[in-house]
Amino acid sequence: ELKVEQNPLFLSMQEGKNYTIYCNYSTTSDRLYWYRQDPGKSLESLFVLLSNGAVKQEGRLMASLDTKARLSTLHITAAVHDLSATYFCAVLNRDDKIIFGKGTRLHILP
Amino acid sequence: ETGVTQTPRHLVMGMTNKKSLKCEQHLGHNAMYWYKQSAKKPLELMFVYNFKEQTENNSVPSRFSPECPNSSHLFLHLHTLQPEDSALYLCASSQSSRDRDYEQYFGPGTRLTVT
Repeated sequence: ELKVEQNPLFLSMQEGKNYTIYCNYSTTSDRLYWYRQDPGKSLESLFVLLSNGAVKQEGRLMASLDTKARLSTLHITAAVHDLSATYFCAVLNRDDKIIFGKGTRLHILP
Repeated sequence: ETGVTQTPRHLVMGMTNKKSLKCEQHLGHNAMYWYKQSAKKPLELMFVYNFKEQTENNSVPSRFSPECPNSSHLFLHLHTLQPEDSALYLCASSQSSRDRDYEQYFGPGTRLTVT
């Protein structure tokens, strides 16, 4: 059974700092998704990572995938308050089901 | 209306009530999904419909009954719920559930409280 673990689950950081959120998963997969959720709102798709070594960047966020290590990272560069949200990673398992992590609640202090 | 919409946004119901959640997508997608988001658990997939056919029932209790009359609309009928069913219910859609490169688009959710 595929398990997806994110860490940290909660992160409070200062504006302007860099930080990384980690997503580990327990069985082989080559499809990984990152989502953002603002309080009381939908999940918004950020990145779809489709192969080993994939790297995608959008603004201050960069996501990467290492399928051999079963690890994805979401790196935040020079954080700004608008990036405060909960970030979820999700992994496609062998039965084509998407399994979500518990989410990382990111709070960026002005 | 654009994207994925859900109604109602909030619902309070007693354990003996019957109610329905509605989801509508305006993206021309062929697959629709119901998820449950509880406070202390990861997001859980409940049901998947692809071209109006149910392709996934993730061991969901029968007190939850989905209905997909067409590719744009999805309902979740609720009856004799339990307090532990209180959660945020999210609807999502994608081009197809069989395309492994798909991206899901989520609705804003219905916050359900069972009293």
